[in-house]
Amino acid sequence: QVQLRESGPGLVKPSQTLTLTCTVSGASIRRADYYWNWIRHRPGEALEWIGYIYHSGDAYYSPSLKRRVSISLGTSQNQFSLRVTSLTAADTGLYYCARSYSGSSTFDYWGQGTLVTVSS
Amino acid sequence: QSALTQPASVSGSPGQSITISCTGTSSDIGRYKYVSWYQHHAGKAPKLIISAVSDRPSGVSHRFSGSKSGNTASLTISGLQADDEADYYCGSYTSEDTLAVFGGGTKLTVL
Repeated sequence: QVQLRESGPGLVKPSQTLTLTCTVSGASIRRADYYWNWIRHRPGEALEWIGYIYHSGDAYYSPSLKRRVSISLGTSQNQFSLRVTSLTAADTGLYYCARSYSGSSTFDYWGQGTLVTVSS
Repeated sequence: QSALTQPASVSGSPGQSITISCTGTSSDIGRYKYVSWYQHHAGKAPKLIISAVSDRPSGVSHRFSGSKSGNTASLTISGLQADDEADYYCGSYTSEDTLAVFGGGTKLTVL
């Protein structure tokens, strides 16, 4: 059974940098079959795809966020991380990690999400 | 990128059928057969219930079905059950410079 679990700080200050980690069990992030994605849901908005990372470490980002986000593979565990810089209140929302097949926009497994609030 | 448009809420009584629409453009739903639907119970992980417009993943009830016409995709839930009460999101592949575009979600209330 594939499971994903997000972790990170629930509260961050404006202008700071957010780092979230997704821990994966039941599947290896080192396999070439999948993309490992981050998606967020801000209040009153549609779900928003942020970016993905591939087993090789190559990453691809949403054009609207690419200047502030980066995704990286964990060094020793089955984890990958999201980093968002220059936070504002508009970044407040629920952040999910999710798996998709390579080249696919269908997300077959998701984490429960972690709430991030940007406030001073 | 532009989001897909879903109704904010729908409701139905147990045993009835309901349909949730998801309207996009010729750059996403209208162009590709890669529409997916997700069920989300609050506090739980979203669950994939429909992929590629109308395919049900293993283990998903036959009461869930999907279709597409032009720029609009639809999710139909037949024989409504109390446990179907949840938020439902659509998603699509897009020719825009991003992997996927999603809808804003529809809250299903089972009366």
